[in-house]
Amino acid sequence: AQSVTQLDSQVPVFEEAPVELRCNYSSSVSVYLFWYVQYPNQGLQLLLKYLSGSTLVKGINGFEAEFNKSQTSFHLRKPSVHISDTAEYFCAVIHTGGGNKLTFGTGTQLKVEL
Amino acid sequence: DTEVTQTPKHLVMGMTNKKSLKCEQHMGHRAMYWYKQKAKKPPELMFVYSYEKLSINESVPSRFSPECPNSSLLNLHLHALQPEDSALYLCASSQDPGQGFNEQFFGPGTRLTVL
Repeated sequence: AQSVTQLDSQVPVFEEAPVELRCNYSSSVSVYLFWYVQYPNQGLQLLLKYLSGSTLVKGINGFEAEFNKSQTSFHLRKPSVHISDTAEYFCAVIHTGGGNKLTFGTGTQLKVEL
Repeated sequence: DTEVTQTPKHLVMGMTNKKSLKCEQHMGHRAMYWYKQKAKKPPELMFVYSYEKLSINESVPSRFSPECPNSSLLNLHLHALQPEDSALYLCASSQDPGQGFNEQFFGPGTRLTVL
């Protein structure tokens, strides 16, 4: 069985400060890893994904994430946040050979303040 | 066109009503999904259609009835719902369900309130 843990339910940060949202996963097989963003009253938008290859993945809106197999982590980072980054962020996995079934973490609310 | 559309945006219904949610995509995708999302929670998969056939039903109560009339359209028929079914219902689609990973594109959702 696979699971995704996002330990931080809320992360407050000041504008232009760096931020890291943490994600750890557990799976007995290889996985694909994703970060989605959900703005208020909207659907989910894919920020970035790790399928294979380079462990540092760059996504949209200046976000990046690093896949660390030994620590089973896929933390999301941004060097300088903006007010418009305020949203809910979900980490998710698909295990290879498991069809296209996404398993989501519980989400992290990023709140950017002036 | 890289958009998944959902109608209506908001729906309020009584427990005895019958209503339907609609989802449409014109990206040529052959897999379509329904998710349920409660407030402050992640989306939970309900159903998956692959090539217009139901491939996954995550033990969803029969008061939810999915339908895929063609490759572009996905419906969710609702009947005799309970107040606890109030949630955001998200539709998603992906390209080819039989070819490894395919990115799922999400619609904006229908906000359902059951009185």
